Amino acid sequence: ETGVTQTPRHLVMGMTNKKSLKCEQHLGHNAMYWYKQSAKKPLELMFVYNFKEQTENNSVPSRFSPECPNSSHLFLHLHTLQPEDSALYLCASMGGYQETQYFGPGTRLLVL
Amino acid sequence: AQSVTQLGSHVSVSEGALVLLRCNYSSSVPPYLFWYVQYPNQGLQLLLKYTTGATLVKGINGFEAEFKKSETSFHLTKPSAHMSDAAEYFCAVSGLGAQKLVFGQGTRLTINP
Repeated sequence: ETGVTQTPRHLVMGMTNKKSLKCEQHLGHNAMYWYKQSAKKPLELMFVYNFKEQTENNSVPSRFSPECPNSSHLFLHLHTLQPEDSALYLCASMGGYQETQYFGPGTRLLVL
Repeated sequence: AQSVTQLGSHVSVSEGALVLLRCNYSSSVPPYLFWYVQYPNQGLQLLLKYTTGATLVKGINGFEAEFKKSETSFHLTKPSAHMSDAAEYFCAVSGLGAQKLVFGQGTRLTINP
């Protein structure tokens, strides 16, 4: 499988649940990103990882907890979310001299 | 600091007509500029990018964009629209290396038969 994959594609959760989003890239990249895409708002950068180290946290609430165990995998752990957290969560990766971020298909999250 | 303004949240053109999607940016450093397309229920796909060199950039699906420094613009064009071009289009700016993209709010393109 090539490119950037994300699972699950759709997720419905209650405010007291704990769930995780997974992103995997098969491009050999060393940087990975989480973005949030809400209706009527620009894409918001949430976290950046370079060589497994977090290099950016864009003032994201602590109910979102990222994890990057290696350069190919990125997780977003979710707990006690709010309805306003419902959105499309996109993962991206970038590497080498390509100077381009490649995006996965996203996880559509609904918090009830 | 960097920012992007996409003029027009919704653009509608007839099939076969010219497509013009406007993007203006602000950047304190020489910008890298990108156009991405998003089809329903999908992620973002790169259409084209400008980093350095030639200011007229050609991308996939017949799209092109021209970097105009004096106008701080990077408008996206396609000479003849096709029904399959219906999607949302995002302009983005970054500094050197594209590490941190700042996106515009997007323009939804509708193609009328």
